[in-house]
Amino acid sequence: DVKVTQSSRYLVKRTGEKVFLECVQDMDHENMFWYRQDPGLGLRLIYFSYDVKMKEKGDIPEGYSVSREKKERFSLILESASTNQTSMYLCASSGRGRGANTEAFFGQGTRLTVV
Amino acid sequence: LAKTTQPISMDSYEGQEVNITCSHNNIATNDYITWYQQFPSQGPRFIIQGYKTKVTNEVASLFIPADRKSSTLSLPRVSLSDTAVYYCLVAFTGGGNKLTFGTGTQLKVEL
Repeated sequence: DVKVTQSSRYLVKRTGEKVFLECVQDMDHENMFWYRQDPGLGLRLIYFSYDVKMKEKGDIPEGYSVSREKKERFSLILESASTNQTSMYLCASSGRGRGANTEAFFGQGTRLTVV
Repeated sequence: LAKTTQPISMDSYEGQEVNITCSHNNIATNDYITWYQQFPSQGPRFIIQGYKTKVTNEVASLFIPADRKSSTLSLPRVSLSDTAVYYCLVAFTGGGNKLTFGTGTQLKVEL
């Protein structure tokens, strides 16, 4: 069974803390994505990566950075957490090739609360 | 990337067929159309994908007219468990690219 695993289901952090959200996939996928989801705003893409050490900005990258040192792992970093980053964070991965890269598999999400 | 427009919400009753239409006026030649389903507190799940005409699988059908400027997801005989948010995406499938979701369509199925 394919799997995208996010390190935490729930997380509470203080304003100003550096926060790491980890995502691991076991499908040998080239593409990995980080989204945040807020009520009424749908899923918004923060960053994505199409290969190891490669990263591309999504639609809302401000306040975030990412790291992809290994193919299976994609980390989202909040350098200095703020309350407006309280949200559900979703990681996804997809393969390469016609049709495959738009069939994404999602993790269960991390609900982050910044206080 | 092609932008998509779909209704914010739809209501239906069990046993009915539900059709959700997505507009994508500036779809590119190499773009495919993909639909996802999301239940509360879960990540989205891939449902179906197509390029033109009609695609059918065990879950849904996808109808794409010749001009490809819109597409319709058809759910036959819905049940309460089909209550979810449905997202339409348009993206190039030939390589690494960002997958941009919109706000989706909240489908509510009642008895």
